[in-house]
Amino acid sequence: AQTVTQSQPEMSVQEAETVTLSCTYDTSENNYYLFWYKQPPSRQMILVIRQEAYKQQNATENRFSVNFQKAAKSFSLKISDSQLGDTAMYFCAFMNYGGSQGNLIFGKGTKLSVKP
Amino acid sequence: EAGVTQFPSHSVIEKGQTVTLRCDPISGHDNLYWYRRVMGKEIKFLLHFVKESKQDESGMPNNRFLAERTGGTYSTLKVQPAELEDSGVYFCASSRPGQVNEKLFFGSGTQLSVL
Repeated sequence: AQTVTQSQPEMSVQEAETVTLSCTYDTSENNYYLFWYKQPPSRQMILVIRQEAYKQQNATENRFSVNFQKAAKSFSLKISDSQLGDTAMYFCAFMNYGGSQGNLIFGKGTKLSVKP
Repeated sequence: EAGVTQFPSHSVIEKGQTVTLRCDPISGHDNLYWYRRVMGKEIKFLLHFVKESKQDESGMPNNRFLAERTGGTYSTLKVQPAELEDSGVYFCASSRPGQVNEKLFFGSGTQLSVL
């Protein structure tokens, strides 16, 4: 069975600094999708970034980038120039390429606090 | 454009009672999903509607849970009778018709507490 592991339950970072959130996953599939979702204290979860496993280039979205290491089954999220609004729960998620749409496998989440 | 809305935002009920959660997806989103996060555990997929049809209900925990989407618009998730282990946050999400990795838009969730 596929699993997603986020080994850091909580993290904190100073405003303007860089932080990296870890995510590892376990699958025997070769093609799949990986996602990072952010859930601010208001609780509405939003997509931060996504990566297709067949793409070697790491995805980036403004201050957010990933380090996708397929062989190591690692998918870390780097947040540069952290802002107070980045304070949130961050969830890493996996989806099979041929799987049912929306049938995501989530990690337990990392609570990130950005301190002024 | 209105986002995905869920209500109630909180519900406190006693064991054995019935609760119905509602989700209104973004207009035009054929796909609607339900998820649940039990305290301290991962968010789990429950099921996926395409319009009014259940595309995948592999995550539904047992027959105490009934999801409907009559007319292909809003959806309800009924828990009857509720048990203590049903406590958690129930999320709904929707997406446009399209590719399997289409972006999901989530609601704020319903916090269900079963006492």
